[in-house]
Amino acid sequence: SAVISQKPSRDICQRGTSLTIQCQVDSQVTMMFWYRQQPGQSLTLIATANQGSEATYESGFVIDKFPISRPNLTFSTLTVSNMSPEDSSIYLCSVELQGETEAFFGQGTRLTVV
Amino acid sequence: QKEVEQNSGPLSVPEGAIASLNCTYSDRVSQSFFWYRQYSGKSPELIMSIYSNGDKEDGRFTAQLNKASQYVSLLIRDSQPSDSATYLCAVKSYGQNFVFGPGTRLSVLP
Repeated sequence: SAVISQKPSRDICQRGTSLTIQCQVDSQVTMMFWYRQQPGQSLTLIATANQGSEATYESGFVIDKFPISRPNLTFSTLTVSNMSPEDSSIYLCSVELQGETEAFFGQGTRLTVV
Repeated sequence: QKEVEQNSGPLSVPEGAIASLNCTYSDRVSQSFFWYRQYSGKSPELIMSIYSNGDKEDGRFTAQLNKASQYVSLLIRDSQPSDSATYLCAVKSYGQNFVFGPGTRLSVLP
């Protein structure tokens, strides 16, 4: 496995503002992903973070709302833009490590928009 | 649309009993299968992975895979209250993203 540091762990934000979530991994990473998990729900994939290029977004998610960066192999950010209360959720960074098939998760960011 | 299905629960078992969690998947070419445990307010943590038909045991946990039936299960022996959590089944095909099930909430009663 690996140490996956995700921050902030939680935040309360005003509607209309933006929040950037960071994910840092201490091992060689092949893939990085961002998920959303709404209360009582399973994981919904937002996008695959691609190193040095635009992220690959899933249906229903767009770059203007969820811009993602991945400047190197072990670091990525997800920004939740122009937030509304509907964006209140847990956001999770997930990685696949070199030589492994499993996915591992950061601690998650609990976002509340008021 | 690739789907992974689980009973949402809650599944309640008495302490010391065997908890049986089930999962079915729709993509016949799926190759890798995973069970994650998620405590309330925490992120998912990997419990087991299984790739071949049959059983795989790790301590109190046994994963069972039947590709012909597109079915994977997780047995927890000697269930403890600390096992109370939501268990997520995940399936992956080569070159594809993980597909997670909705999760089964397990409650182990003292």
